[in-house]
Amino acid sequence: EPEVTQTPSHQVTQMGQEVILRCVPISNHLYFYWYRQILGQKVEFLVSFYNNEISEKSEIFDDQFSVERPDGSNFTLKIRSTKLEDSAMYFCASSKTGGPNTEAFFGQGTRLTVV
Amino acid sequence: DAKTTQPNSMESNEEEPVHLPCNHSTISGTDYIHWYRQLPSQGPEYVIHGLTSNVNNRMASLAIAEDRKSSTLILHRATLRDAAVYYCSANDMRFGAGTRLTVKP
Repeated sequence: EPEVTQTPSHQVTQMGQEVILRCVPISNHLYFYWYRQILGQKVEFLVSFYNNEISEKSEIFDDQFSVERPDGSNFTLKIRSTKLEDSAMYFCASSKTGGPNTEAFFGQGTRLTVV
Repeated sequence: DAKTTQPNSMESNEEEPVHLPCNHSTISGTDYIHWYRQLPSQGPEYVIHGLTSNVNNRMASLAIAEDRKSSTLILHRATLRDAAVYYCSANDMRFGAGTRLTVKP
């Protein structure tokens, strides 16, 4: 069964460093998403992406964050200058058609630890 | 965005039905209702979604109130593997706080 894969599974970085989280969505999917989950809290929407553009972003997704689809398969989330409060699980998701009448498939997440 | 309200936690016995409620009183006419769940140490997993009519799939059933201000996710026979946080969403891909379901053997 096709799945969304995320790498690395765990990343430790120093405060102030840039970090790139990588995702390989399901191959025929067109809509991509990033979420984060701070330990013990709910899953929070960050951004959705379609046709090489951001479709929607939350108030969490400020100028420190960016997303990119550098090639036909990868979808990345970059945090420019990490802060301690960026420590969280980051989940990537993809869906075939986007919009409200669809289901999204999530990866297993990347645990980011900022020290 | 339609705000959702769910109980923080619920308990069920194994092999009994579970009804997980969600209130979404500010839902608009075009907002679908989605349910996802998150098993321990995993990413969210799609469960079911619907607009107005009740929906069934291999995992669960979704009962939507006639006024669409609430819905109920029904697990017909809970198993230990169904222990998870269940998220209801009444807008596009944003989750509420979720209900932590505990299933007792």
